[in-house]
Amino acid sequence: AQSVTQPDIHITVSEGASLELRCNYSYGATPYLFWYVQSPGQGLQLLLKYFSGDTLVQGIKGFEAEFKRSQSSFNLRKPSVHWSDAAEYFCAVANFGNEKLTFGTGTRLTIIP
Amino acid sequence: ETGVTQTPRHLVMGMTNKKSLKCEQHLGHNAMYWYKQSAKKPLELMFVYNFKEQTENNSVPSRFSPECPNSSHLFLHLHTLQPEDSALYLCASSPLSGQGQQETQYFGPGTRLLVL
Repeated sequence: AQSVTQPDIHITVSEGASLELRCNYSYGATPYLFWYVQSPGQGLQLLLKYFSGDTLVQGIKGFEAEFKRSQSSFNLRKPSVHWSDAAEYFCAVANFGNEKLTFGTGTRLTIIP
Repeated sequence: ETGVTQTPRHLVMGMTNKKSLKCEQHLGHNAMYWYKQSAKKPLELMFVYNFKEQTENNSVPSRFSPECPNSSHLFLHLHTLQPEDSALYLCASSPLSGQGQQETQYFGPGTRLLVL
């Protein structure tokens, strides 16, 4: 069965600093990978996704993620965070044709001035 | 109005009450989903509907009863819930590919449910 691990429950970053959120997945074939963001009291918003092709994926709000098959990872990055980036971030994996999205437990991001 | 909307946004109910959650998508998608989000736990998929037909019931207790009258609307009927059912209930929708496979899911804002 597919699974997703987000090893960092909570990360604190200074405004303007760079950010990397880790995501590791367990899946036999080539997965479909997603990052979603959830602001307090809100639903999930899609940041970016990887289906195939270029392993460096650009998303909204200046985020990017890199698919590394050898490490089974899909880490999310941003070169300079803004206070508005404070939220919870979820990595998810789906397999082609199985119609089931498996989520990690999320990483809560706090931004300090 | 665009995207995926959910009503109500907040709901408090007793264990003997009957209530319904509503989800509506304005994206022209053909698949809709219910998820449960509890504190400290990953999102749990509850139900999936493709073209109004239920294709997944993820071992959800019968006190949760979904209804999908058309591809744009999804309901979750609640009755005799337990306090541990308190959670954020998220609705999502996605298009279906030409082969009938689900693509990227788009989420609504959720209904925060408290069962007393």
